[in-house]
Amino acid sequence: DAGVIQSPRHEVTEMGQEVTLRCKPISGHNSLFWYRQTMMRGLELLIYFNNNVPIDDSGMPEDRFSAKMPNASFSTLKIQPSEPRDSAVYFCASRTEVWGYTFGSGTRLTVV
Amino acid sequence: GENVEQHPSTLSVQEGDSAVIKCTYSDSASNYFPWYKQELGKGPQLIIDIRSNVGEKKDQRIAVTLNKTAKHFSLHITETQPEDSAVYFCAANYGGSQGNLIFGKGTKLSVKP
Repeated sequence: DAGVIQSPRHEVTEMGQEVTLRCKPISGHNSLFWYRQTMMRGLELLIYFNNNVPIDDSGMPEDRFSAKMPNASFSTLKIQPSEPRDSAVYFCASRTEVWGYTFGSGTRLTVV
Repeated sequence: GENVEQHPSTLSVQEGDSAVIKCTYSDSASNYFPWYKQELGKGPQLIIDIRSNVGEKKDQRIAVTLNKTAKHFSLHITETQPEDSAVYFCAANYGGSQGNLIFGKGTKLSVKP
């Protein structure tokens, strides 16, 4: 099992550009989460999916952020347009039940 | 809303000493309390968890205790080693047994050789 796979590992982009982060959850896990980690705010839940359906996106900071899960093995988090304050590490996690969270290695996003 | 408070934010100990990290939670319905270890450049990794039907759980050098009445739980690391240096996060579920996790802000543990 390769675990939760995120790409890219690092992303540097200019303000105003579109950024797409990708996640492949563990096969068989039916819930997927996107988190953002910063020094100031710690781990923040942005959105989560159950069986590919978005359940709670109340953590998405603005309309500039959107997430999709077209199938059970793939999810994207898109920021358009990106801003410097979006700079953070973004984690994807998946689980089968509440005590089975597995995190990916994260994508470090820098917006200049 | 639901909240998990974690203390201290940083902790420095000498190799061989014990380290204790404490968390409190607000949702009385919480019944699952995991601890994650995050090493530099990596995602958080589950190291131990406890459920509300037990008060203590131990796995080699790490142990967790839970006080449901006081709504707090703690991580204890004994005989610390330099490789224990990392950021540790506590978490609690909210919204019942199928609910999601809310995380503490993390504790940066440094173990000095």
